Amino acid sequence: EVQLVESGGGLVQPGGSLRLSCSASGFSFSTFDMHWVRQAPGKGLEWVSAIGTTGDTYYRDSVKGRFTISREDAKNSFYLQMNSLRAEDTAVYYCARNGVWDSFDIWGQGTMVTVSS
Amino acid sequence: DIQMTQSPSTLSASVGDRVTISCRASQSITTWLAWYQQKPGKAPKLLIYKASRLESGVPSRFSGSGSGTEFTLTISSLQPDDFATYYCQQYNSYPCTFGQGTKLDIK
Repeated sequence: EVQLVESGGGLVQPGGSLRLSCSASGFSFSTFDMHWVRQAPGKGLEWVSAIGTTGDTYYRDSVKGRFTISREDAKNSFYLQMNSLRAEDTAVYYCARNGVWDSFDIWGQGTMVTVSS
Repeated sequence: DIQMTQSPSTLSASVGDRVTISCRASQSITTWLAWYQQKPGKAPKLLIYKASRLESGVPSRFSGSGSGTEFTLTISSLQPDDFATYYCQQYNSYPCTFGQGTKLDIK
């Protein structure tokens, strides 16, 4: 079964750090670009970051310099290191696979990140 | 950044109705557009990609159309399982951007 599973969410104080992980199974992970998408409570979807098969990375402006995306193909996993967290980063974070036609065809179940003192 | 605007924000309809949701891009994205369905507490699900191509396993009552800046998602005959929130997304260029969502609820 093709599947993505996130982990690493939790409660963190403003200014703190958190590392999210996304574990893939059921497909050839190394051949797909991957994404992180977030959804603040009661709000819409917001793309956060992407990583290509060759390690090229992309970020939305509001997280540049604070978040770092990386991948480890040998472990079928990719990550989002989040530093200098702010209250506005509070959201459910989903990992997603970039499908053949570049839409997001497989999603994880999401992991909640709460930034609060 | 490319802005995506959906209309309406909320839509009330009945089982069996034909419904249409619109999505407008702030600049041309040719056909680099997807539609997703999301139910409360669940991850989004891909319905349509490349503006009009039906994702495998998605019922044929869903269809998408459009190109350039104007796009439409149509559900030909609403079923009880279709009451959810729908999002369009452009992936013509980074940052990928989503519409604000259309909540489809039961009339």
